[in-house]
Amino acid sequence: DAKTTQPTSMDCAEGRAANLPCNHSTISGNEYVYWYRQIHSQGPQYIIHGLKNNETNEMASLIITEDRKSSTLILPHATLRDTAVYYCIVRVGMGGSEKLVFGKGTKLTVNP
Amino acid sequence: NAGVMQNPRHLVRRRGQEARLRCSPMKGHSHVYWYRQLPEEGLKFMVYLQKENIIDESGMPKERFSAEFPKEGPSILRIQQVVRGDSAAYFCASSPSAGGVTEAFFGQGTRLTVV
Repeated sequence: DAKTTQPTSMDCAEGRAANLPCNHSTISGNEYVYWYRQIHSQGPQYIIHGLKNNETNEMASLIITEDRKSSTLILPHATLRDTAVYYCIVRVGMGGSEKLVFGKGTKLTVNP
Repeated sequence: NAGVMQNPRHLVRRRGQEARLRCSPMKGHSHVYWYRQLPEEGLKFMVYLQKENIIDESGMPKERFSAEFPKEGPSILRIQQVVRGDSAAYFCASSPSAGGVTEAFFGQGTRLTVV
């Protein structure tokens, strides 16, 4: 089962920042937080990942709280093409199994 | 560097036939994951393979489904005697290693329709 909790849906105005929250209160010390998105039934697309420090790349920023129990994905200037389902994933691994376990995600709708 | 390639993109099978889905990982990637997505649902993990080894098949149905990742060639997900409930999108992902922190890259999926 997924170890994260996300809102079912969110709306954002085009050009504004989209802030997607995620709770992962049972995260272990060596588990990373990953974000993926899926645009209209395409294959999931990797966005960003982090352990405890904030991370930024060309797509987004990831802010992880100091206690690591929650995080926020920030799309700084959302466009219509960012409309997608966003998945926050804590990567599990036991004995070499490093699978990604997807929850229901947040459906982000960017409005003109 | 080509991404993860899945074929066919669309597959139609009659009930009782076999479906074979292929996944060619990214160059240099030796780890493959298969996921299934039913209509209007999330992605469900099926199986994780390394070259010639099944590492985790905890999400695979006990019957009719099998997967392999041979030393040479693509990974194959095989569904025998398909039923209508097998209609779904099947996604494959690959990563370069399981140790350390690496992202997995997904293909565009195979949409299986059982008629």
